[in-house]
Amino acid sequence: EAGVTQFPSHSVIEKGQTVTLRCDPISGHDNLYWYRRVMGKEIKFLLHFVKESKQDESGMPNNRFLAERTGGTYSTLKVQPAELEDSGVYFCASSKKVPGQGPGTQYFGPGTRLTVL
Amino acid sequence: AQSVTQLDSHVSVSEGTPVLLRCNYSSSYSPSLFWYVQHPNKGLQLLLKYTSAATLVKGINGFEAEFKKSETSFHLTKPSAHMSDAAEYFCVVSDNWYSSASKIIFGSGTRLSIRP
Repeated sequence: EAGVTQFPSHSVIEKGQTVTLRCDPISGHDNLYWYRRVMGKEIKFLLHFVKESKQDESGMPNNRFLAERTGGTYSTLKVQPAELEDSGVYFCASSKKVPGQGPGTQYFGPGTRLTVL
Repeated sequence: AQSVTQLDSHVSVSEGTPVLLRCNYSSSYSPSLFWYVQHPNKGLQLLLKYTSAATLVKGINGFEAEFKKSETSFHLTKPSAHMSDAAEYFCVVSDNWYSSASKIIFGSGTRLSIRP
């Protein structure tokens, strides 16, 4: 079974440009999450999709960040326009709800390292 | 509210000696707890999880952790360190595990170094 994949693995852009990160979850996982780790800080939750719907987007830092999950499969996270403080590693995770339990254990992708110059 | 504290930002041990990575949590509900590991240039890998079953949890690569409610701790241990254990380890807590809105919170991470 393929794991969570993310593309690109590394992106270097200039301040003011736009970047789109992609996450492909494990097949059959309805839950998809985005997290971010800014250098030297903790991994922070950004948002949670259940299929194509946003369950929780309380962690999105501001309206320069837009996440989509059309069709309930892969997800994109767009940053427009990028700022210096957006630099960090963006992780995606997916999980499958287990009957009688919660959203299930999260499995993470390798992350996208974003550098904004 | 939930939170998790990893007491050591960096731990260094000699190969073949025991490993102890400390984690304390705070949770309003009965928590679920996890340890993830990140090797250099790799993704986060689940080591083990506690979700209200046995308090001593065994994970992959010889790691285990014990849930101690009275001490609000979930320390990660391994009897004998191997060079391949060098990585960053994250303790994670989830409140209200059985809710679809369940959210996980990461600790700040502990970097484990292994001396030959």
